[in-house]
Amino acid sequence: GEDVEQSLFLSVREGDSSVINCTYTDSSSTYLYWYKQEPGAGLQLLTYIFSNMDMKQDQRLTVLLNKKDKHLSLRIADTQTGDSAIYFCAEIGGATNKLIFGTGTLLAVQP
Amino acid sequence: EPEVTQTPSHQVTQMGQEVILRCVPISNHLYFYWYRQILGQKVEFLVSFYNNEISEKSEIFDDQFSVERPDGSNFTLKIRSTKLEDSAMYFCASSDYGQGPHEQYFGPGTRLTVT
Repeated sequence: GEDVEQSLFLSVREGDSSVINCTYTDSSSTYLYWYKQEPGAGLQLLTYIFSNMDMKQDQRLTVLLNKKDKHLSLRIADTQTGDSAIYFCAEIGGATNKLIFGTGTLLAVQP
Repeated sequence: EPEVTQTPSHQVTQMGQEVILRCVPISNHLYFYWYRQILGQKVEFLVSFYNNEISEKSEIFDDQFSVERPDGSNFTLKIRSTKLEDSAMYFCASSDYGQGPHEQYFGPGTRLTVT
């Protein structure tokens, strides 16, 4: 079945760039998403990319997609302490609306 | 900015009891979803709902679960006879109908604790 994997933890210094990586198995993925979850809060949709694109930029966020390797990444430029959260990669594939989530990556930003 | 709301934020219940989790989706959205996250595990899809019927459900969503849109604003998840393993954070989400990215917007979640 479909699977989405992420590394569990990333620590960066304030002002540095963060890169969070994700791999997926579903070759019929049509859209891939990044969600952010702050402590005690729900899942906030940050950005998404269509599978026929290889890059999307939205202010400090850059999404890169390597469809051949089924690899997705989220780059956060000039990381701030307010970016500390869990970041989830998710995908939708085929004729379905269900999101398949990764394990989540805890981003810790050190001042 | 419109948002999905969920009540209660925390529900404690005894094993075998029925619970109803409530959600108010974004007002012009037509697709509604329930997901759950057991502590330390991935967020899992439970069910999607469109045009007053279930459009897709997972293996988790067995006969103990049901969903309903009792009026024009609420969307509910009922667990008929709760088990210890139903303890989890339950998230409601909603999205526009149509082609495209199906951007799903999530509520803050209801933490269900079954004792």
